[in-house]
Amino acid sequence: DQQVKQNSPSLSVQEGRISILNCDYTNSMFDYFLWYKKYPAEGPTFLISISSIKDKNEDGRFTVFLNKSAKHLSLHIVPSQPGDSAVYFCAEYQAGTALIFGKGTTLSVSS
Amino acid sequence: NAGVMQNPRHLVRRRGQEARLRCSPMKGHSHVYWYRQLPEEGLKFMVYLQKENIIDESGMPKERFSAEFPKEGPSILRIQQVVRGDSAAYFCASSPMTGASYEQYFGPGTRLTVT
Repeated sequence: DQQVKQNSPSLSVQEGRISILNCDYTNSMFDYFLWYKKYPAEGPTFLISISSIKDKNEDGRFTVFLNKSAKHLSLHIVPSQPGDSAVYFCAEYQAGTALIFGKGTTLSVSS
Repeated sequence: NAGVMQNPRHLVRRRGQEARLRCSPMKGHSHVYWYRQLPEEGLKFMVYLQKENIIDESGMPKERFSAEFPKEGPSILRIQQVVRGDSAAYFCASSPMTGASYEQYFGPGTRLTVT
């Protein structure tokens, strides 16, 4: 029973367009959601986070939106670049526990 | 580069052997987490340690797996009598003592193959 679900295993986008990666969750008792980016044969790297008290957080080309009533969050990348091609994991954090990850979405950005 | 270090990067073991995976956290970090990633899966939490203490091992299999983070030296994840199902990528993450521990920094992982 997955607490954090990324229902799209893959996403293909053209360079310059918007990439939207989605994540659904079941546990409302969280403190933060985070997005991690992972290249093959490397560890995940932290990308952006959002606190449970916010509904939007922006950092450069990356924006995360949180819809608590729908238990849904999304990561927007605008404009997408070929270097953004990677696996993106959303993760839930609750104080005192470890991160709970989704299965990931593979983003391919073509030039 | 003062990032999280893991070694070895690749480890091949025959069934029944022992595997030892090492993790050196970032300088100044005293919290260490171990995660396992099976093929086509996300990362799954295994164990959370602070220096000389296991804080949470709820994600670790009850048998054959153990972890430590001694006062001196790296954190060690030990798998005894490995089986083919242990083949996976094992990632270590560290976080600072102060501040929110959701800020976890990951190492490059150890890919364990059991033949």
